[in-house]
Amino acid sequence: QKEVEQNSGPLSVPEGAIASLNCTYSDRVSQSFFWYRQYSGKSPELIMSIYSNGDKEDGRFTAQLNKASQYVSLLIRDSQPSDSATYLCAVNTPKAAGNKLTFGGGTRVLVKP
Amino acid sequence: EPEVTQTPSHQVTQMGQEVILRCVPISNHLYFYWYRQILGQKVEFLVSFYNNEISEKSEIFDDQFSVERPDGSNFTLKIRSTKLEDSAMYFCASSETGTAHEQYFGPGTRLTVT
Repeated sequence: QKEVEQNSGPLSVPEGAIASLNCTYSDRVSQSFFWYRQYSGKSPELIMSIYSNGDKEDGRFTAQLNKASQYVSLLIRDSQPSDSATYLCAVNTPKAAGNKLTFGGGTRVLVKP
Repeated sequence: EPEVTQTPSHQVTQMGQEVILRCVPISNHLYFYWYRQILGQKVEFLVSFYNNEISEKSEIFDDQFSVERPDGSNFTLKIRSTKLEDSAMYFCASSETGTAHEQYFGPGTRLTVT
């Protein structure tokens, strides 16, 4: 059973539109959720963290968490060509002391001018 | 803005050789991690380290792997006898505290085993 699942994409959006990315996770005791952006050949860059149910906004990004549905999403408003990247969902499930992050496979986003 | 640094950016080694990958975590961070990403695959957790000891490790982190904090700034990953399948990007990360805190990644070391 996959622990963190994402649609691999590519998700193609026109410039200025909203990109909507989804992530589901399997372990109900997961507590912390993160979105990373990864450009090709580069390292993951943290863009959002969310810990409680509801919405969290930061600039053009909004993360949404629904623990009952085991679902976390990321909205990118006013998408720009520079937003073209792979977006990784990461989940922390505190089963041990190590603060391990489990990553999904990522959703590739293409923003077309 | 403080950042995690890693050296070298690219390491080529022959199968069976030992490699050491180096990381300098963000200075006020207390938790350190190694992850790896095989080309085209997911980012995978290897090990976490706190207070000079391993706090969690994955199944990938077998006896061929070890980590060390040799001084107050460096954090290293040693692979004792490299295999072809160890070829991957290795990312170091650090976080200020443990549970739930954001992890910041370094630029990575691309390890190529021939």
